[in-house]
Amino acid sequence: DIQMTQSPSSLSASVGDRITITCRASQSINNYLNWYQQKPGKAPKPLIYGASSLQSGVPSRFSGSGSGTDFTLTISSLQPEDFATYYCQQSYTTPLFTFGPGTKVDIK
Amino acid sequence: QVQLVESGGGVVQPGRSLRLSCAASGFAFSDYDMHWVRQAPGKGLEWVAVMSYDGRNKYYADSVKGRFTISRDISRNTLDLYMNSLRPEDTALYYCAKDVERELSHLFDYWGQGTLVTVSS
Repeated sequence: DIQMTQSPSSLSASVGDRITITCRASQSINNYLNWYQQKPGKAPKPLIYGASSLQSGVPSRFSGSGSGTDFTLTISSLQPEDFATYYCQQSYTTPLFTFGPGTKVDIK
Repeated sequence: QVQLVESGGGVVQPGRSLRLSCAASGFAFSDYDMHWVRQAPGKGLEWVAVMSYDGRNKYYADSVKGRFTISRDISRNTLDLYMNSLRPEDTALYYCAKDVERELSHLFDYWGQGTLVTVSS
């Protein structure tokens, strides 16, 4: 089974900050890596697929990179609506999937 | 627009059964794989099960294999999850999610609002 880890587990940041979240797979998953955003009491929302492609309607301040085992999600200028929990998900082992444990981004 | 509406959650005793349903609308239901994903209170996301677009293939997380059964009714555009031998650790908000293939990667592009299952005596 492929295990996913994320770091940090939480971070505090200010509006306008640039932040980076890291996701690591226990073995190579090529670029089969997605990112989701979840706000409290809401369903997850897809942000990035294929490690670096922006889902339709997602602001361009979000970007993803990486391949193999190491991936990053970057928010170039944090906005008030970006405070949320972010999850990575591997789809390399489709039809079986694994999510990372999540990274909570809150206001400093 | 795409809508996924889950129902069927509630409080159930350990060892008992429960059926969840997800009503889909706004897209060609028979063209897409569909998933169940759960989230225990205050915890992260856990993929539970998937059913292929044509209903031929079903796959489960190890944590539910042999206890849960996923099914779909194309005529009613519904996705079901039959949960047997429920355990306290099955307590979670259960989401149904629509799958889409993007550049060979599979993404969950639409999610329902979830239905809460509490397993407790």
